[in-house]
Amino acid sequence: GQNIDQPTEMTATEGAIVQINCTYQTSGFNGLFWYQQHAGEAPTFLSYNVLDGLEEKGRFSSFLSRSKGYSYLLLKELQMKDSASYLCAVMDSNYQLIWGAGTKLIIKP
Amino acid sequence: GAVVSQHPSWVICKSGTSVKIECRSLDFQATTMFWYRQFPKQSLMLMATSNEGSKATYEQGVEKDKFLINHASLTLSTLTVTSAHPEDSSFYICSARDWTGHNEQFFGPGTRLTVL
Repeated sequence: GQNIDQPTEMTATEGAIVQINCTYQTSGFNGLFWYQQHAGEAPTFLSYNVLDGLEEKGRFSSFLSRSKGYSYLLLKELQMKDSASYLCAVMDSNYQLIWGAGTKLIIKP
Repeated sequence: GAVVSQHPSWVICKSGTSVKIECRSLDFQATTMFWYRQFPKQSLMLMATSNEGSKATYEQGVEKDKFLINHASLTLSTLTVTSAHPEDSSFYICSARDWTGHNEQFFGPGTRLTVL
């Protein structure tokens, strides 16, 4: 079956760095997405990786290793507004998104 | 990025009534739209995939006669919750795929449905 695993919850301190991991097993691979979702709101797109390596976009970076079925989202210089759920999703061979359950990130002052 | 609108943002209705939710892609054509449901503190659950001009593909366990989906144009898909009951109260979110980019899905702002 298809499976996406990510931690349920993480806590970090304002100004620090946090890494959210995601491992996956899917039928085919057409890219991995990270979305941010604040409580009561719809998800917003953060990043897309289809080739191995690190993609940097401001304070956020996303890494992919296809051979290991592994990705992480790195958030630097954490701000209180970064408190949200972070969703990992993989696009399978049918171009369908397979969603992880999300990681709730709590930022403390 | 591409913009997807959803209307209404929230709706309260009586049990037994039907509610229609609209999803529009504002600045791109979406041949495929998706409808999700999300209960509090839970992950997104895909309900159905809506393809323009054809019948929607429903996920296992989703009643197609209860959740009617129409994708009549490249920019509009509608979800109608028929004979709504309190257990249908949830956050309904649509998304549209933009094939010109990375095939990412752009989400509408969601519709919070409360059935009394």
